[in-house]
Amino acid sequence: GIQVEQSPPDLILQEGANSTLRCNFSDSVNNLQWFHQNPWGQLINLFYIPSGTKQNGRLSATTVATERYSLLYISSSQTTDSGVYFCAGGGSQGNLIFGKGTKLSVKP
Amino acid sequence: DVKVTQSSRYLVKRTGEKVFLECVQDMDHENMFWYRQDPGLGLRLIYFSYDVKMKEKGDIPEGYSVSREKKERFSLILESASTNQTSMYLCASSLEGIGGYNSPLHFGNGTRLTVT
Repeated sequence: GIQVEQSPPDLILQEGANSTLRCNFSDSVNNLQWFHQNPWGQLINLFYIPSGTKQNGRLSATTVATERYSLLYISSSQTTDSGVYFCAGGGSQGNLIFGKGTKLSVKP
Repeated sequence: DVKVTQSSRYLVKRTGEKVFLECVQDMDHENMFWYRQDPGLGLRLIYFSYDVKMKEKGDIPEGYSVSREKKERFSLILESASTNQTSMYLCASSLEGIGGYNSPLHFGNGTRLTVT
């Protein structure tokens, strides 16, 4: 099955800093999504992005499908951005394989 | 907004008990999923369903079964709970994928199950 690798596993930022999270896939996927899990455990869908670039406020994501990776950019980070960021990929059936996540801590 | 509701936030059961975890979504989604999340192992897919009375095994179905009698409800059943099934269980739903398009996955708040 598909392997999903995320880097870095942990990231500590000062408030206001920018960061880039990376997700690599072992095989082609046509269903790629990014999620944020807040400190209370709630998983929120950030992006559905099988290819191209999308932006939502201070967050943006780029997927280069031909090279099997995706990047999540966080600009001007805030303490509320803390939590774990997951990428997940899969085929057309909708079932996703998740990476192990990047744990982000934003310090005031 | 999509709402996926899991019936219990915390649950404590004894070894050998039959356990039912319930999940309801209010957006008429065709697809529903059960994941478990464990430290160091991430999220792993247990079962999923594309339609009423349909079910497919995920990566770790052993020890679990599911039921989908109505479109909005997807139940996870632990036939005989064991301590290694202590975990966070997450239900999710999405619209049907058509023509290669998939829709965003939406999660419930999770049920933290402890089996003693």
